[in-house]
Amino acid sequence: DGGITQSPKYLFRKEGQNVTLSCEQNLNHDAMYWYRQDPGQGLRLIYYSQIVNDFQKGDIAEGYSVSREKKESFPLTVTSAQKNPTAFYLCASNRQVSGNTIYFGEGSWLTVV
Amino acid sequence: KNQVEQSPQSLIILEGKNCTLQCNYTVSPFSNLRWYKQDTGRGPVSLTIMTFSENTKSNGRYTATLDADTKQSSLHITASQLSDSASYICVVSATSGTYKYIFGTGTRLKVLA
Repeated sequence: DGGITQSPKYLFRKEGQNVTLSCEQNLNHDAMYWYRQDPGQGLRLIYYSQIVNDFQKGDIAEGYSVSREKKESFPLTVTSAQKNPTAFYLCASNRQVSGNTIYFGEGSWLTVV
Repeated sequence: KNQVEQSPQSLIILEGKNCTLQCNYTVSPFSNLRWYKQDTGRGPVSLTIMTFSENTKSNGRYTATLDADTKQSSLHITASQLSDSASYICVVSATSGTYKYIFGTGTRLKVLA
């Protein structure tokens, strides 16, 4: 089935540790996004990518990094510089950056221990 | 400033009853408006998309309306079911810029038996 696969579903991070969230899509979408969701807040954009080997910072990029080496993959690394990383992370994609419906993955829960 | 505001923040109704969720936006220039349903701990799923020229759009028991003049949208749920318990998120996209999707904070709906 076509869709967006995020892994792992649950992840625990120790202080000072970098962790990477995986996002893979088989929808042949050009654009991919990473959002962070906190209780009582709307989704906030971390990074987005329109094409392979290109990505742009969103509204809350500090403490995060991404890569886009393949069209179908857009991993997110939460670095130790992110001081409050505990959140629900959503990966999304669509056929072009503006206008079309965004499709979301099932999300990943990251908790700092 | 581009903003999307949703009301109420939360809502509890009995199974079989109808309800209406509100979305007010100050996004310019307006491209389209979407309603998403998000089950707890899952990724959002698109319910409807409405462009500037559309006033009403239905998807089963969900009916969305759009008043582009007053910049208001509503999502009406008819004959609610237990499975309707979820958060409903209003998302507005702007025509300018490269990624402008503005998310509301959502309305959390609980349907009781």
